[in-house]
Amino acid sequence: QKEVEQDPGPLSVPEGAIVSLNCTYSNSAFQYFMWYRQYSRKGPELLMYTYSSGNKEDGRFTAQVDKSSKYISLFIRDSQPSDSATYLCAMRGSGATNKLIFGTGTLLAVQP
Amino acid sequence: DVKVTQSSRYLVKRTGEKVFLECVQDMDHENMFWYRQDPGLGLRLIYFSYDVKMKEKGDIPEGYSVSREKKERFSLILESASTNQTSMYLCASSTSGNGNTIYFGEGSWLTVV
Repeated sequence: QKEVEQDPGPLSVPEGAIVSLNCTYSNSAFQYFMWYRQYSRKGPELLMYTYSSGNKEDGRFTAQVDKSSKYISLFIRDSQPSDSATYLCAMRGSGATNKLIFGTGTLLAVQP
Repeated sequence: DVKVTQSSRYLVKRTGEKVFLECVQDMDHENMFWYRQDPGLGLRLIYFSYDVKMKEKGDIPEGYSVSREKKERFSLILESASTNQTSMYLCASSTSGNGNTIYFGEGSWLTVV
């Protein structure tokens, strides 16, 4: 079993839709949770960063962490064609030497 | 903004060639990383470095080596390239400490023929 599971998609939605992207994980020691966005043939860019459980909002993006269920989500409101990309979840435990563990990514296509 | 620069975006090399992938970061980060990314397999850590001249094996170090002679520069070396090393290679850097996040370069697409 992988430490981090992420549905690869592809996920296709119409412009303006609310998008929900999810990851589950098995390691209860994970404390730091991130979402990266990766456009085609580009490197991943950090989108959202949260520590422990709770919600974090940044514009149209909301990141949720439910540590009791070992489940994290990224919501995109009013999705735009420019949101079309692969979204990678990533997480790590505390301690400077803990490695960042990535999901395999979900490919999102927002249709105009 | 953090800038991680990979000097070669697209390379085509022959089987058996020695390949150097160079990466430079401009934010004085202690940690640097090399990943490869393949469809369906996601990001896999090859090597990382916590300090100059320090290196640690990641999950898939076989067939690779690294060099970190200066803090800002981290090189990935394929001693004898093989076709199964055709991939996208991503360099990344981060500060040390609990709350660090990783910043990636644009990636280097390597094709070995």
